[in-house]
Amino acid sequence: GAGVSQSPRYKVAKRGQDVALRCDPISGHVSLFWYQQALGQGPEFLTYFQNEAQLDKSGLPSDRFFAERPEGSVSTLKIQRTQQEDSAVYLCASSLAEALSYNSPLHFGNGTRLTVT
Amino acid sequence: AQKITQTQPGMFVQEKEAVTLDCTYDTSDPSYGLFWYKQPSSGEMIFLIYQGSYDQQNATEGRYSLNFQKARKSANLVISASQLGDSAMYFCAMRGNTNAGKSTFGDGTTLTVKP
Repeated sequence: GAGVSQSPRYKVAKRGQDVALRCDPISGHVSLFWYQQALGQGPEFLTYFQNEAQLDKSGLPSDRFFAERPEGSVSTLKIQRTQQEDSAVYLCASSLAEALSYNSPLHFGNGTRLTVT
Repeated sequence: AQKITQTQPGMFVQEKEAVTLDCTYDTSDPSYGLFWYKQPSSGEMIFLIYQGSYDQQNATEGRYSLNFQKARKSANLVISASQLGDSAMYFCAMRGNTNAGKSTFGDGTTLTVKP
């Protein structure tokens, strides 16, 4: 694939529903990152993976948020019992370099816009 | 902790003119990278330019250049010969060596190019 692919592009969930957001990174990219972007603000870190290992999940807002990357490629961000404050754009990014390479740019997908009603 | 400050919520520039978008940062990491990303209304974050903390020269990529002043902790983006397609949100970001997996972003600057 040419770039990072995220699906769905838009998701509307009723409060209390569970949602799953998918990210297909660029083929061969070792590192994968999830960010949350509120309207009019910059992205906020959620979690990142190197291959299948989740190295840092300190940015996940609560235990309702869970991310996985079981085979080191596709990743899923799951939000249980969604709340209105979860409404945001969820951005996925990947990088060819190892996750701890501070000089490596991130390649982002188009994001999933989640609206919780 | 790291912090990125972008003090210009919105900027206007005439087509074909140059514009500077401001970014200041704060970090205790000895080594770090500074990045600029462009986010059009479509939502995708596009990498523009990178500057390493030990780089002696300012980075340039086509019409983009980064005015890096380490002592002042500033990393301003200069766009020369603005085009209508440059209208977008621009984010300054950094990664430090102690927790490089976590990028810190500013709140962005909305650039509007006028014809």
